[in-house]
Amino acid sequence: GDSVTQMEGPVTLSEEAFLTINCTYTATGYPSLFWYVQYPGEGLQLLLKATKADDKGSNKGFEATYRKETTSFHLEKGSVQVSDSAVYFCALLKGTGRRALTFGSGTRLQVQP
Amino acid sequence: GAVVSQHPSRVICKSGTSVKIECRSLDFQATTMFWYRQFPKQSLMLMATSNEGSKATYEQGVEKDKFLINHASLTLSTLTVTSAHPEDSSFYICSASGRGSTDTQYFGPGTRLTVL
Repeated sequence: GDSVTQMEGPVTLSEEAFLTINCTYTATGYPSLFWYVQYPGEGLQLLLKATKADDKGSNKGFEATYRKETTSFHLEKGSVQVSDSAVYFCALLKGTGRRALTFGSGTRLQVQP
Repeated sequence: GAVVSQHPSRVICKSGTSVKIECRSLDFQATTMFWYRQFPKQSLMLMATSNEGSKATYEQGVEKDKFLINHASLTLSTLTVTSAHPEDSSFYICSASGRGSTDTQYFGPGTRLTVL
């Protein structure tokens, strides 16, 4: 079945450090890929998405590129802020059939001043 | 972006009672709603998918008689946890998608259920 694998956290960085959170997926067909963010005490928010190979999703300084050859969708940010501290979830959505998201396990990011 | 609300945000109940959680799409018509469960420090696990006016489709291992889902209108879905037990304590999250944007789901803020 479909699955999403994320690097385990927590990831602890200093402010202005470079961030990479790895995400790989297993799915048949051509899924859409997403990053969601969950701030403390809040619900999930869509951060960015990509719907086909080589697409780059970007938002709020975060970027991720849909790499079909490596089945990856790694999240990056050049300079993190304390306000980026949250849990980040990678997810996929199949192009056909059940329209529910399959989530990775989530990666907690802690940014220290 | 679209807004999805959940009510209540927190609920504490005694073992054996039933609890209803509401999920509303405030500014769009939600043709499909999803219910997830999130355990502490873990990912979201899909419980069921409901289309407006149809019976919900439950994931394997989810008891449909225990977790009753109703999606009677295009803006409201409810999840009722019947005869709740302490092991049902969890964070329940709904999401919704509308016509023309089936690859985008909008998430509610979640409901923390604690069963004593």
